Amino acid sequence: DTEVTQTPKHLVMGMTNKKSLKCEQHMGHRAMYWYKQKAKKPPELMFVYSYEKLSINESVPSRFSPECPNSSLLNLHLHALQPEDSALYLCASSQGLARENEQFFGPGTRLTVL
Amino acid sequence: SQQGEEDPQALSIQEGENATMNCSYKTSINNLQWYRQNSGRGLVHLILIRSNEREKHSGRLRVTLDTSKKSSSLLITASRAADTASYFCATSTGNQFYFGTGTSLTVIP
Repeated sequence: DTEVTQTPKHLVMGMTNKKSLKCEQHMGHRAMYWYKQKAKKPPELMFVYSYEKLSINESVPSRFSPECPNSSLLNLHLHALQPEDSALYLCASSQGLARENEQFFGPGTRLTVL
Repeated sequence: SQQGEEDPQALSIQEGENATMNCSYKTSINNLQWYRQNSGRGLVHLILIRSNEREKHSGRLRVTLDTSKKSSSLLITASRAADTASYFCATSTGNQFYFGTGTSLTVIP
């Protein structure tokens, strides 16, 4: 299984809502990533988990809270988001850290904040 | 920022023609990777070239790397309509990993 799955595919939320994005992989990869991508822009790295520990946090606002319950799962908890947070959120995984390894991406969650 | 700059931003060619896109970056790198993204979807890894390599091939893809000029190129030969996508270079330095600005390729049947 070389697939990274993400749920939901689409999410619309208000600025006072709390929601979560989920990502799952069963390739035995030990590094997992969250990226944010705005339209016609490259993905921007948000968080990196290595061996279930947060290793990189690219100065992301605290309204985004990552969680890695186990080596196959990665969540992104959302609270009090702003309309400018609307974007495609991509999850990825790799066998080791991205600098040496191919990343496998999920299809993304299209988030709209009203 | 380590983010790579890609050129051209957009490219439109006829099916069967070759497509070349370029990536320039700012500081020393461990390696450089190329990814493809179909509209609104996740990215797919195409090829990785290490800093001590100059050229690499994979099927219809040819990647070159010139570390002295801090640049890389991706050549897609005999393009197909299915190659229509955005193409991103990605560079890594230490623990950091950045995608370039991307080239949008349209292959006209």
